[in-house]
Parts: sequence; structure tokens; C-alpha cells
Amino acid sequence: AIQLTQSPSSLSASVGDRVTITCRASQDVSGALAWYQQKPGKAPKLLIYDASSLESGVPSRFSGSGSGTDFTLTISSLQPEDFATYYCQQFNSYLTFGQGTKLEIK
Amino acid sequence: QVQLVQSGAEVKKPGASMKISCKASGYNFLNYYMHWVRQVPGQGLEWMGIINPSGGGTTYAQKFQGRVTLTRDTSTSTVYMELNSLRSEDTAVYYCGRIRRGKWSYIGYWGQGTLVTVSS
Repeated sequence: AIQLTQSPSSLSASVGDRVTITCRASQDVSGALAWYQQKPGKAPKLLIYDASSLESGVPSRFSGSGSGTDFTLTISSLQPEDFATYYCQQFNSYLTFGQGTKLEIK
Repeated sequence: QVQLVQSGAEVKKPGASMKISCKASGYNFLNYYMHWVRQVPGQGLEWMGIINPSGGGTTYAQKFQGRVTLTRDTSTSTVYMELNSLRSEDTAVYYCGRIRRGKWSYIGYWGQGTLVTVSS
């Protein structure tokens, strides 16, 4: 099974900061990667699909890049509503999620 | 608009079974695969399985093979997830999620989640 490793596991940042979260796959997943945002008590929300395509309605400060085994999610200028947990997910072979990155206010 | 509405919270005893429903609306139910994902409190997301609402075909994560069964009722546009031989480690929020295209894909729409508590 393909494993996804996110780093960091947690991150403290301030409003206005630029933040990057990485996701590394244990084998090549091509571009079959998505990113989700989850807030406490809520279902995950799709942000990015196919590694770099922005989901409709998601602010343009979110962007994704990468292919093969290394991927990144970047938030260009953190807003108060962005403090949440972020998950990557591969769909090249079954489905696997990363362990999550908790983004907290500094 | 696409909506996935799940059944309510449940409390089960160890060894029992549970069956959660996920009622779909706002699209052609037969055209999109449905996944089930769970989240143990304070932990990450874990994929459990997928069902093709059209033919009923299923694929399960190895971890849950033999314990989980996904079914669907096309007359009510509802998918079901049954998990047997429950243990305390199965206490989690269970989500259904509709893919956007194909079979193995990202989840574009999520149910609200169903909390299942397993406790004696």
C-alpha cells in the first residue's frame, strides 16, 4: 500500500505568513493527489485536486504543486479562517491519506 | 446541489455490529462511486472501502476485509456501511464521500459524519 508522509505534523504561524506543507509518497502516484482542509467537528473540505488544480470556490491563496512522490500545499498569506488541519490523499492506487498537519496560530 | 445525509450517532457494545446509512440527493446516484472513510477521535483519516452504486461492486481496505460490508439501495439512493465484531478501537466518526469522477479519485462531497461509540 502507498504511504503518505506529511511534514511538519504541526505548525505555528501568524496571519499573513506564507506556509508550505509537504507530502511525500512511498511510491510514484503521478499527479493523483488531493489536499483537504478539516476544521474541528466538520467533514474534510477539498482544496486541491490532481496535485495542482484549485477546487471551485477555494481562495487563490491556496496552491498545490508536485508530481511523482513529492508534493506541496502552499498558503500564500494566512488568514484567520485557515487555521485547521490539512491532509493529503493519493488516489493512484486505492486511497491513502497522510497523517495530517495541524496549523495553529502563533 | 449534491447532498449526502448520514444517519445519526450510535452507541454499541463490543462484539456488536453497526450499520450506517448515507442518503444521496442532487445528482444521478448511479453515476458516481461512493467511499467510506473513518476518523478515530484526535487522529487522521482512514479509507475503508468503495462501492459502485450502479452494479454494487465493492473494494475494501485490507484492514477491514471480512468485517465491513458496503451495500446500496438504488430505490432510495442510499448506501450503507456495516461493520461487525466491533471493538473499542472502532470508536470513530464515519464519513461517506462521493468521488468526482471515475473510481479511484478525490472526494468532492462528504456526508456530515456519524459518530459511533463502542463501549461496554
